[in-house]
Amino acid sequence: GAVVSQHPSWVICKSGTSVKIECRSLDFQATTMFWYRQFPKQSLMLMATSNEGSKATYEQGVEKDKFLINHASLTLSTLTVTSAHPEDSSFYICSASSPRLAGSMYEQYFGPGTRLTVT
Amino acid sequence: GIQVEQSPPDLILQEGANSTLRCNFSDSVNNLQWFHQNPWGQLINLFYIPSGTKQNGRLSATTVATERYSLLYISSSQTTDSGVYFCAVGSRHGSGNTGKLIFGQGTTLQVKP
Repeated sequence: GAVVSQHPSWVICKSGTSVKIECRSLDFQATTMFWYRQFPKQSLMLMATSNEGSKATYEQGVEKDKFLINHASLTLSTLTVTSAHPEDSSFYICSASSPRLAGSMYEQYFGPGTRLTVT
Repeated sequence: GIQVEQSPPDLILQEGANSTLRCNFSDSVNNLQWFHQNPWGQLINLFYIPSGTKQNGRLSATTVATERYSLLYISSSQTTDSGVYFCAVGSRHGSGNTGKLIFGQGTTLQVKP
């Protein structure tokens, strides 16, 4: 149980275009979803936290107008990178949590990640 | 905010050896998770362990919350154990108590045949 999927797994786009990444919880309802970013050989950095039906909370330094997050349902959150530039190239990973899962309301389950390359 | 430090940053082992990875954190936590990131980037949940001891096969973990550290033990290591191991913590304090995780910098483990 507690499976999280992401789509696409990799994407190449041209500078100036927008890209949407989907994160789905497949076998549970996720009250909270998180979006992380990871550069090569570095750790994960939290970008934002989103709760179903409410606006995302962005971490300091993350441009909310550039990284649009929508959490429309308990099983789907999307991250849209708007007007992408080469410096946005990175590995984007989502996670989900739910108080109804065994373990803890705080335990997070991670998707497989999306590798974005902006040319 | 809460600080997370992992040690060692890199570790090279011969197959069959045992190892201990450490995670120190600077504040009280309501969540502590250990992950293994495989070569394709997928984070594999190893343990959810804000306190106490757990074991799963060749892996075990102990968190001493009062002293603010956690240990991950790998016994009889195999080449498939290679990869990056992350510790991530959720602070008990902070605005909104949203459950967000702060990651350490990771330990890169290489197990040689």
